Amino acid sequence: GQQLNQSPQSMFIQEGEDVSMNCTSSSIFNTWLWYKQDPGEGPVLLIALYKAGELTSNGRLTAQFGITRKDSFLNISASIPSDVGIYFCAGQLGGTYKYIFGTGTRLKVLA
Amino acid sequence: DSGVTQTPKHLITATGQRVTLRCSPRSGDLSVYWYQQSLDQGLQFLIQYYNGEERAKGNILERFSAQQFPDLHSELNLSSLELGDSALYFCASGGLLHSTDTQYFGPGTRLTVL
Repeated sequence: GQQLNQSPQSMFIQEGEDVSMNCTSSSIFNTWLWYKQDPGEGPVLLIALYKAGELTSNGRLTAQFGITRKDSFLNISASIPSDVGIYFCAGQLGGTYKYIFGTGTRLKVLA
Repeated sequence: DSGVTQTPKHLITATGQRVTLRCSPRSGDLSVYWYQQSLDQGLQFLIQYYNGEERAKGNILERFSAQQFPDLHSELNLSSLELGDSALYFCASGGLLHSTDTQYFGPGTRLTVL
């Protein structure tokens, strides 16, 4: 079945460092969404991407929709302790209304 | 606060029982999605409704069913519960741009089956 490969699975970084994570798939997606989830909470939408090649920023976050529509990356610049959490990518499968979620990147920031 | 509400926040029940989870979407949103998240797992898409009609179905068990009512709130019914059904259940609502929704998640219902 369709799946999103999200990497890295987890990462420890120092406060102030930049972070990069990505999602890839063999399937084509209409939309890419990036979420952050804190333990026991609902995912919070960070960035939404709708067009191939689109680059969008939200504060220290930047995400891009791959040209082939099969991948996306999320960058966080100058990380801070509150960036700790699990980041999920989600893609809406082309030709469907279904959303597939990646397995998540668990981010830990060391002060 | 995403504007999506879910009740109850916590639910503890026994195997074989039936429960109903409720979701109210953001004002103006027509789409409702249901997801299951097991411990330390990703989100599994269960089902989507748009303006009262089922629009897409994911890995939803036959023991589970859902509906969206005329006032756009939705309910997810889980029956013949098993231990493995213990999970966080999230509802998300979406603002529609043709087939492209941006989903906003509720706080979730934590279901524990004993």
